[in-house]
Amino acid sequence: DADVTQTPRNRITKTGKRIMLECSQTKGHDRMYWYRQDPGLGLRLIYYSFDVKDINKGEISDGYSVSRQAQAKFSLSLESAIPNQTALYFCATSDPGGVRNEQFFGPGTRLTVL
Amino acid sequence: AQKVTQAQTEISVVEKEDVTLDCVYETRDTTYYLFWYKQPPSGELVFLIRRNSFDEQNEISGRYSWNFQKSTSSFNFTITASQVVDSAVYFCALSEPLQGAQKLVFGQGTRLTINP
Repeated sequence: DADVTQTPRNRITKTGKRIMLECSQTKGHDRMYWYRQDPGLGLRLIYYSFDVKDINKGEISDGYSVSRQAQAKFSLSLESAIPNQTALYFCATSDPGGVRNEQFFGPGTRLTVL
Repeated sequence: AQKVTQAQTEISVVEKEDVTLDCVYETRDTTYYLFWYKQPPSGELVFLIRRNSFDEQNEISGRYSWNFQKSTSSFNFTITASQVVDSAVYFCALSEPLQGAQKLVFGQGTRLTINP
């Protein structure tokens, strides 16, 4: 079973629609992140959360909001989608006490905004 | 601010050739971590290696090797005897301290194509 799951895996939506991307993890990690990937730009941080009560903006948070419903769930919302939000979105988790101190990524959600 | 530069946007080689992917980083931190991730055509991110700033020993894992040189702020990745399955986008990343945790600053990625 996957440790970090994302739903949906692919989504096509129209400009102005509200859309939610969901992330769940079974790793027991406190820290969760949302990144977006654009061609030629690598991954950039949208939001991050250290626990249910702690949510912080990343470098490109405009146009996005998040909700940490539980330790295991971290959702990303686009309140009114626009075409330049077409991208590949990744959720990640991390455990600072882990041996390799790495971030574990979900499989990604490919979002297209028409 | 931290920055990671992967100057090679695309590389194409013939199978069995050796290939090196370059990564240069900028940071003011004295303690940091460097990472390489592989993104195959299926899209997921696969962790390859983590290196901390105090450990400059090179590392070898099978056909993969990494050369960390603090003096030149580089963390290059070499694939020996490349195979078609190595075709992917490779990302170098640098950790940036973030309130007791870290965020990852990614390079732009290098698309590697191994031709049969």
